[in-house]
Amino acid sequence: NAGVTQTPKFRVLKTGQSMTLLCAQDMNHEYMYWYRQDPGMGLRLIHYSVGEGTTAKGEVPDGYNVSRLKKQNFLLGLESAAPSQTSVYFCASSYIQDTDTQYFGPGTRLTVL
Amino acid sequence: GENVEQHPSTLSVQEGDSAVIKCTYSDSASNYFPWYKQELGKRPQLIIDIRSNVGEKKDQRIAVTLNKTAKHFSLHITETQPEDSAVYFCAASWRGTGKLIFGQGTTLQVKP
Repeated sequence: NAGVTQTPKFRVLKTGQSMTLLCAQDMNHEYMYWYRQDPGMGLRLIHYSVGEGTTAKGEVPDGYNVSRLKKQNFLLGLESAAPSQTSVYFCASSYIQDTDTQYFGPGTRLTVL
Repeated sequence: GENVEQHPSTLSVQEGDSAVIKCTYSDSASNYFPWYKQELGKRPQLIIDIRSNVGEKKDQRIAVTLNKTAKHFSLHITETQPEDSAVYFCAASWRGTGKLIFGQGTTLQVKP
């Protein structure tokens, strides 16, 4: 049981490049989330999903797209990376909405030059 | 919109002292309040949580208190140890949304 995993762990992009971050969980969780973490700003929710085939916007969705084609995977895409998207990205998942624990992945450190 | 304010942003204590971190939230419908600990370069880890029908919860050296009337909750760490040094985040969950809104974080330093 690996829990929540994220790939890649590190990535450097040039402005305007695109990439996809993959989050996978093997806990059969319905809910999955993407956060970004910036110094002094805590964790901010980008997008989330309440089940396979569904997605919803969080606090800071602009510049990102997501897809949840399979229950165990949640993909975060950057179509045209900007330096403001330099951050650490965390994926999380949970089983029961609202009151259950969110389990976090190890994070992806993204630098956009 | 939803908002969680966390104070202080940094906290330095001597080993063995107590540490208190406070958070306030904006939505009276919030009903779940977790605390996460994040060590340098690691993922956030849940250390304790409290639900809206409980006023206080303890787990060894850590405790959380909730005041729903005032819309604030606090983390208390007693007999602090150097390994308690980390960034601590509070969060509040909004009923029916599946979202956690996090505070800005508190960097706790425990000096030996």
